[in-house]
Amino acid sequence: EPEVTQTPSHQVTQMGQEVILRCVPISNHLYFYWYRQILGQKVEFLVSFYNNEISEKSEIFDDQFSVERPDGSNFTLKIRSTKLEDSAMYFCASRPRTGSRDQPQHFGDGTRLSIL
Amino acid sequence: SQQGEEDPQALSIQEGENATMNCSYKTSINNLQWYRQNSGRGLVHLILIRSNEREKHSGRLRVTLDTSKKSSSLLITASRAADTASYFCATDGASGSARQLTFGSGTQLTVLP
Repeated sequence: EPEVTQTPSHQVTQMGQEVILRCVPISNHLYFYWYRQILGQKVEFLVSFYNNEISEKSEIFDDQFSVERPDGSNFTLKIRSTKLEDSAMYFCASRPRTGSRDQPQHFGDGTRLSIL
Repeated sequence: SQQGEEDPQALSIQEGENATMNCSYKTSINNLQWYRQNSGRGLVHLILIRSNEREKHSGRLRVTLDTSKKSSSLLITASRAADTASYFCATDGASGSARQLTFGSGTQLTVLP
């Protein structure tokens, strides 16, 4: 069964550095998402992406964050200048666009980001 | 306001018993989904129930939805040690096409062998 893949599985970065998290969504999916989960807390929505542009974003997704789909397969999340509070598990998800409006999102295994 | 609150926060049962987890939410929804997360791993989709459905089954899983009470329950029958994980409900309530999910805080299920 097709999967969403994320790399790296664990990223350790110094505070203030830029980090890029990578995702390969399922190939025929058209909606892409990033979520994060701070240790012990809820999974929180960050941003959704469709038709090569952001469709919705949460208040967490400030100017330090950006997303890009540089080619036909990758979907990246960039944090420009990381802060300690960015330490979390980051999940990528994708969803097909079909006739039904009710399709589940498929999640990757996540990237654990640790900011030192 | 908080969307998608599960209870209990933690549940410990013996193998073979049934496990019931509840979820409450506050806004109107298109559908409600349940996900499972093993420790340190990603979210695995279990089941989706549409707002016009009241009950749905998938294998050992049974989900109910009461939109008048804005609540859902997930029942796992004949539990196994391998069912040990965190279970989250997530609501799809966005009016636009993005359909982002709002997750609850989860129930940690431990099934003892």
